[in-house]
Amino acid sequence: QVQLQESGPGLVKPSQTLSLTCTVSGGSISSTSYFWTWIRQPAGKGLEWIGRIYTSGSTNYNPSLKSRVTISMDTSMTRISLRLSSVTAADTAVYYCARGWSSREAAVDVFDIWGQGTMVTVSS
Amino acid sequence: SAEVTQDPAVSVALGQTVRITCQGDSLRFYYASWYQQKPGQAPVVVIYGKNNRPSGIPDRFSGSTSGNTASLIINGAQAEDEADYYCSSRDSSGNHYVFGTGTKVTVL
Repeated sequence: QVQLQESGPGLVKPSQTLSLTCTVSGGSISSTSYFWTWIRQPAGKGLEWIGRIYTSGSTNYNPSLKSRVTISMDTSMTRISLRLSSVTAADTAVYYCARGWSSREAAVDVFDIWGQGTMVTVSS
Repeated sequence: SAEVTQDPAVSVALGQTVRITCQGDSLRFYYASWYQQKPGQAPVVVIYGKNNRPSGIPDRFSGSTSGNTASLIINGAQAEDEADYYCSSRDSSGNHYVFGTGTKVTVL
């Protein structure tokens, strides 16, 4: 059974770069059937999609974050990484990685497996 | 402005039926997926596509779509269904995803 686990610093200083890793176990991230995505949630607020990466390396990012976000993957190590630059207090949130799949023909998109999330606080 | 909107909160009597709605222009072209989130936990998908339930999700959960509105129906709500529910769909470009604002469901 595929499981995802996020990890990284819990505290990041303003203007610095937030770096998180999602480790996938119980399966391979090299399958072309899926993409891997990051989602975040500030305390007491809703979910915000950050971006996704396919096995091919192709990425899509939330337009509101695009200038600061990089998502990459390391197929040999079964890890997906998130980098968010120039962080401010507004980037304080729980960050989730999730597996997704979609079918344009069926007009279906779903994030079917999620990690437990990791809390990141931006503060000096 | 949000591309998909939800009512902030709904309540339902134990054993009764509740409908949670999600509105957005992209829902005319793409099905919504629905996620249940309980306090301190990661979201879990309960409905996706036209009306698909992942393994382990009770059959009291169902979904439907009409025009620009997607609905999640809980038929015979149970105490354990009390949670926040989020819809998700593609945005107007079709290349990105958006989440609804979330609906807090209270089971009375």
